[in-house]
Amino acid sequence: EVQLVESGEGLVQPGSSMKLSCVASGFTFSNYGMNWIRQAPKKGLEWIALIYYDSSSKYYADSVKGRFTISRDNSKNTLYLEMNSLRSEDTAMYYCAKGWFFDYWGQGVMVTVSS
Amino acid sequence: IQLTQSPSLLSASVGDRVTLSCKGSQNINNYLAWYQQKLGEAPKLLIYKTDSLQTGIPSRFSGSGSGTDYTLTISSLHSEDLATYYCYQYNNGYTFGAGTKLELK
Repeated sequence: EVQLVESGEGLVQPGSSMKLSCVASGFTFSNYGMNWIRQAPKKGLEWIALIYYDSSSKYYADSVKGRFTISRDNSKNTLYLEMNSLRSEDTAMYYCAKGWFFDYWGQGVMVTVSS
Repeated sequence: IQLTQSPSLLSASVGDRVTLSCKGSQNINNYLAWYQQKLGEAPKLLIYKTDSLQTGIPSRFSGSGSGTDYTLTISSLHSEDLATYYCYQYNNGYTFGAGTKLELK
């Protein structure tokens, strides 16, 4: 059974940093690109980052480019999202999702940026 | 590529045939997926590559379209289908539509 389990939820102040993790199981993690997608409260979905299966390419939404970094450790079946210079508008539920068209999603973790 | 979903809110009855629209600002080349999100849950993939049904999804869900215009159809609405539906394109960049909320009439 495919499982994606995010962690790193929390409340942080504007300007601070935070790192999310997503542990994968039930499939060969090193064979698939992985994504981060977020959803602000009562809003729609926003794709924010993609990393290829071998970390050879990384892509970001304009809203997070230069502030967020996606990475992965295939030996640990783990995806990461390092978030710097956080803003109130980054407040959202953050999901990790598998593959080109997100056939599996994690349960999500809430990130709240507020003073 | 921008995606425009219509309507934003759809009221329907159990048993109705329901059609949701997703229009791209450019040709999407069939790289279009649909997701269902129920309140408090993560989204679930329904359809990928315009018309491919994800494993485990009931056959009452179907997708169609080409170019810039795509459709998700529910052939006979069940009460458990009440949710928000999002389209997503992965042809040029990665973009979600704003969603269509499906509610009971």
